[in-house]
Amino acid sequence: GNSVTQMEGPVTLSEEAFLTINCTYTATGYPSLFWYVQYPGEGLQLLLKATKADDKGSNKGFEATYRKETTSFHLEKGSVQVSDSAVYFCALRGGGAQKLVFGQGTRLTINP
Amino acid sequence: EAGVTQFPSHSVIEKGQTVTLRCDPISGHDNLYWYRRVMGKEIKFLLHFVKESKQDESGMPNNRFLAERTGGTYSTLKVQPAELEDSGVYFCASSQERGREHEQFFGPGTRLTVL
Repeated sequence: GNSVTQMEGPVTLSEEAFLTINCTYTATGYPSLFWYVQYPGEGLQLLLKATKADDKGSNKGFEATYRKETTSFHLEKGSVQVSDSAVYFCALRGGGAQKLVFGQGTRLTINP
Repeated sequence: EAGVTQFPSHSVIEKGQTVTLRCDPISGHDNLYWYRRVMGKEIKFLLHFVKESKQDESGMPNNRFLAERTGGTYSTLKVQPAELEDSGVYFCASSQERGREHEQFFGPGTRLTVL
């Protein structure tokens, strides 16, 4: 079945550091890939998405590229801010199903 | 436009009791989903409604869980009787249409603690 594996946290960085959160997936066919973010005290929000191979999703300075050859969708940001502290979830939707399949989440803390 | 709302935000109950969670989707969204995150692990799908019909309930863990969506508007998820392993955060999401391009909008979640 479909599955998502993302790097374990927690991740702690200093402000303005470069961020990478790794995400790899297993799926049949051509899934759509997503990154969701949960800020403290809030619900999940869609951060970015990509629906086909080589697509790059981007939002709020974050980027992720759909790499079919490596089955990966790593999240990157060049210079993180304290306000980026949150839990990040990689997810996929595929196989004709509407349900999202999530990774375990990565807690990110940015220190000033 | 109001987002997805969930009630209550927190619930603490004892093992063996019954709890009912409610989700109000975004107005006009036919698709409604329930997910849960247990013990800080991955968020797992529970079920999917299209209007009032259950489209996919493959993620429901056992028959102690009952989901309804009468009239195709709000949905309830009842746990009866609750067990310790049911503790976690229950998320509801809704989407306007199905397909690759249609985003699921999530509510803030209900944190359930079973003592």
